[in-house]
Amino acid sequence: NAGVTQTPKFQVLKTGQSMTLQCAQDMNHNSMYWYRQDPGMGLRLIYYSASEGTTDKGEVPNGYNVSRLNKREFSLRLESAAPSQTSVYFCASSEVGAGYNEQFFGPGTRLTVL
Amino acid sequence: QKEVEQNSGPLSVPEGAIASLNCTYSDRGSQSFFWYRQYSGKSPELIMSIYSNGDKEDGRFTAQLNKASQYVSLLIRDSQPSDSATYLCAVGLIQGAQKLVFGQGTRLTINP
Repeated sequence: NAGVTQTPKFQVLKTGQSMTLQCAQDMNHNSMYWYRQDPGMGLRLIYYSASEGTTDKGEVPNGYNVSRLNKREFSLRLESAAPSQTSVYFCASSEVGAGYNEQFFGPGTRLTVL
Repeated sequence: QKEVEQNSGPLSVPEGAIASLNCTYSDRGSQSFFWYRQYSGKSPELIMSIYSNGDKEDGRFTAQLNKASQYVSLLIRDSQPSDSATYLCAVGLIQGAQKLVFGQGTRLTINP
């Protein structure tokens, strides 16, 4: 039981390049999330997927797209990377129910855009 | 006003003492509250969740919730150097809803 996995762990891009961050969970959770974490800014929600087939914008969606490929996988795509997207990206999943929403995080992807 | 506020610290506590971490939130409709621990360079790890007023204890950790005053706290008893980390408070705005709002975190250092 690996929990939430993310690939790659590290990535360096040049401005304008594109890439996709991959996330998978094996806990049979319905909901999945993408966050970014910057010094002094805390965790900010980029996009989330409440269930397979649905996606919604979070606090900072500009410059990103997502795909909920199936119940297990949720990917985040940067179409044209910018230096402002240098950050640590975390994927999380949860089983939202009546009165609870405990989110579990993957190990993160450290992205640098030059 | 930020939705979830924490003192960024650093908070320094001697080994064996009680560490007290506080968090306030602005939305009175908030229903779910969480504490995450994050070691440097690692991902957040859920350590406590609390949904109703009062105290919830799990080992050396106690979460306290006061909805009337809109604050939630985390007490760590018998603090150990391994407790040195950043502690993130997270709040769910509506019961059962998907989104959590995180505070900026409090950096805690336990001094041997």
